[in-house]
Amino acid sequence: DVKVTQSSRYLVKRTGEKVFLECVQDMDHENMFWYRQDPGLGLRLIYFSYDVKMKEKGDIPEGYSVSREKKERFSLILESASTNQTSMYLCASSLPGQGKIGEQFFGPGTRLTVL
Amino acid sequence: DQQVKQNSPSLSVQEGRISILNCDYTNSMFDYFLWYKKYPAEGPTFLISISSIKDKNEDGRFTVFLNKSAKHLSLHIVPSQPGDSAVYFCAAREGNNRLAFGKGNQVVVIP
Repeated sequence: DVKVTQSSRYLVKRTGEKVFLECVQDMDHENMFWYRQDPGLGLRLIYFSYDVKMKEKGDIPEGYSVSREKKERFSLILESASTNQTSMYLCASSLPGQGKIGEQFFGPGTRLTVL
Repeated sequence: DQQVKQNSPSLSVQEGRISILNCDYTNSMFDYFLWYKKYPAEGPTFLISISSIKDKNEDGRFTVFLNKSAKHLSLHIVPSQPGDSAVYFCAAREGNNRLAFGKGNQVVVIP
């Protein structure tokens, strides 16, 4: 069974704080993704990574950065948290390559509140 | 601009009846379409998929239909059960494993 774990289920931070969200997967997947989910907006891609030390911007990268030093771990960083970054953050991983359906396996999510 | 659109944000259906969720897309390069189910406070879980070269895929109570000429797909759940109450996301893949998601449909199955 694929397992994607996220470091915290709930997190409360103050405006201006630096925030780290950690994600670990145990299935040796090359691809990892960070999304945020907001009511009425669905899942929006923040950043993704196809390999160690590799990252690409998604649709809403502003205010975020990422780090992938090890294959199993993908971190999302909020350099200076703001109230509009209050959201549910979801990490996912998948296998690479053409011919596969591209199914992504999601972690349980981190509900971040920025005060 | 959203490439995957789910209208009718919520749907209520009686237990035992059919639930039909619709999804429209704009990018003709999508090669796979997936449906995910999400319960509150949990991550989405994969439900069913269909390749762009097929027009139907069935898995138990779940069937996905694809109309490529209309750029439209639908998910049918028959019979609906109370445990099916969740948010359903339509997603599409553009061949590089990146998925584009719709905004989701809330389904409520009334016992």
